[in-house]
Amino acid sequence: DVVMTQSPLSLPVTLGQPASISCRSSQSLVHSDGSTYLNWFQQRPGQSPRRLFYKVSNRDSGVPDRFSGSGSGTDFTLKISRVEAEDVAFYYCLQATHWPRTFGQGTKLEIK
Amino acid sequence: QVQLVQSGAEVKKPGASVKVSCKTSGYSFTTWYIHWVRQAPGQGLDWMGMVSSDSDYTTYAQRFQGRVTMTRDTTTATVYMELSSLKSEDTAVYYCARAGSGDFDYWGQGTLVTVSS
Repeated sequence: DVVMTQSPLSLPVTLGQPASISCRSSQSLVHSDGSTYLNWFQQRPGQSPRRLFYKVSNRDSGVPDRFSGSGSGTDFTLKISRVEAEDVAFYYCLQATHWPRTFGQGTKLEIK
Repeated sequence: QVQLVQSGAEVKKPGASVKVSCKTSGYSFTTWYIHWVRQAPGQGLDWMGMVSSDSDYTTYAQRFQGRVTMTRDTTTATVYMELSSLKSEDTAVYYCARAGSGDFDYWGQGTLVTVSS
């Protein structure tokens, strides 16, 4: 199975400051069709996960543009340019290139 | 709009089985398969498997093989996840999620399954 490793696991951030979460995979996530199927999800307390990005950098509808996704191969990053209070949540990466699908451990973003 | 509505919370005894439903609407049911993901209390997301919406094809995570069965009913646009031989470690919130464009685009609200004697 592809192992997804996120860091850090805990991310205290001051309001208005940037934040960055890393996600590394144990194998390349480039599919035979040429696409890279790496998604990012946000899970606020008591809520279902919500997809933020698919195929690395494609932002889902309604996701603020202060969020960005980047990366390639085995190394991916989720960035928030200026953290707001509503961004307090767990963030998960997921690889959807290989079976079985696998998630990262999750990163808890909190306000410092 | 796309919706995935799951069945209500369940309390089961160890050794029993549970069947959770996920009723879909707002799109052509047979277009996208459905994943099942679970989340134990205070833990991360754990992919369990997927069921095709236009055939009997399923694929399960190795650790659930032999205990999980995922099925679909095209007449009601509903998918089901049945987990047998329940243990206390199966206490979790179970989610269905549509594959969709780019995978996991829409999620159900979650179903809490509590396994306790």
